[in-house]
Amino acid sequence: DAKTTQPTSMDCAEGRAANLPCNHSTISGNEYVYWYRQIHSQGPQYIIHGLKNNETNEMASLIITEDRKSSTLILPHATLRDTAVYYCIVRLPLGSSNTGKLIFGQGTTLQVKP
Amino acid sequence: NAGVTQTPKFRVLKTGQSMTLLCAQDMNHEYMYWYRQDPGMGLRLIHYSVGEGTTAKGEVPDGYNVSRLKKQNFLLGLESAAPSQTSVYFCASRNGGGNEQFFGPGTRLTVL
Repeated sequence: DAKTTQPTSMDCAEGRAANLPCNHSTISGNEYVYWYRQIHSQGPQYIIHGLKNNETNEMASLIITEDRKSSTLILPHATLRDTAVYYCIVRLPLGSSNTGKLIFGQGTTLQVKP
Repeated sequence: NAGVTQTPKFRVLKTGQSMTLLCAQDMNHEYMYWYRQDPGMGLRLIHYSVGEGTTAKGEVPDGYNVSRLKKQNFLLGLESAAPSQTSVYFCASRNGGGNEQFFGPGTRLTVL
């Protein structure tokens, strides 16, 4: 699985969009980009994933560059409850040789401020 | 549905003691995982299971054993606890075709 690089920490004003970058320059053609977050002391929570196209769900949007070497997670209207560590993870598609295990880096600590 | 539950929530052990952490899920998921998280670090995979009766090693399996006798339960055992095993332990589960792993609330273990 490809390695990812994220900034250690970021701040965002409440109500503004939070844009969290992730670099995955060694990603291979069939690897997906996943985002999870971990609110203080809780278990990680799935946010979104994508392969090539931009994705949006009720929680966030995922923008993947055309060369797929980087991506950005967007929380459109950050609230104080979005303060958490955000993990960008690259993973092969599920299949007989991939059991879905996740390899976590250190993530980005997002602090949403009033 | 309770989702993924873990017992106990907290535990303090002395070096050399043994214990078992229990993970239970009520979503009929095939896959289950045990991770550990040390302060300031991301999660690291200890062991995982792709189905009842099967287990496999993850990144950091040494000092731990696991069993999956029932589909809904995944047990993590420490035979002889060491201070280096002080950590927060998270269990997760996933169904066969699903992309999302569901995590439990964690067990905070301290080994003195």
